[in-house]
Amino acid sequence: EVQLLESGGDLVQPGGSLRLSCAASGFTFSNYAMAWVRQAPGKGLEWVSSISGSGTNPYYADSVKGRFTISRDNSRATLYLQMKSLTAEDTAKYYCAKDVSWTYLFDSWGQGTLVTVSS
Amino acid sequence: DIQMTQSPSIVSASVGERVTITCRASQSVSSWLAWYQQKPGEAPRLLIYKASNLESGVPSRFSGSGSGTEFTLTISSLQPDDLATYYCQQYETWGTFGQGTKVEIK
Repeated sequence: EVQLLESGGDLVQPGGSLRLSCAASGFTFSNYAMAWVRQAPGKGLEWVSSISGSGTNPYYADSVKGRFTISRDNSRATLYLQMKSLTAEDTAKYYCAKDVSWTYLFDSWGQGTLVTVSS
Repeated sequence: DIQMTQSPSIVSASVGERVTITCRASQSVSSWLAWYQQKPGEAPRLLIYKASNLESGVPSRFSGSGSGTEFTLTISSLQPDDLATYYCQQYETWGTFGQGTKVEIK
């Protein structure tokens, strides 16, 4: 059974930084692209970033480009999202998602971790 | 960027009724269209991919159709467990979601 467990969400001040983690199990992690998708309170889903199975090809939504960095450690089956220069607009629940086949189609999701940007 | 627009935003129906949700893309996405279900307080769940293919384990009362720019999700006989928000997503170019359709039970 695929399991994705996010952690690292917290209350952070505007301009601050945070690193999210997603521990994966139940599948061969290195064989799959992974993604972060976020959901602001009471709002819809927004794709944030994706990374290939090898970790060599990261992609970002325009809203986070230059501020967020996606990475992965295949030896630890863990996905990361380093976030900096955070603003109130980044307040959201951040979901880790498994990509079916580097297609931006997501067949497994974690339960999410909440990031709140506020002074 | 490809924009996805869902209608209606909210649909209220009785148990056993047929429910249809529409999703329109700002340009053709061929059949690269998925539907997700998100129950209150839960993570999204993939229901349908490539416009009409049912994900494993999804009840057969759910079906999808369409291609190009117009797509529909149909629940043939609404059940209490179907209370949720439904999102379409194009994955022809990156992955853009619709704004969601909330399904309520009358």
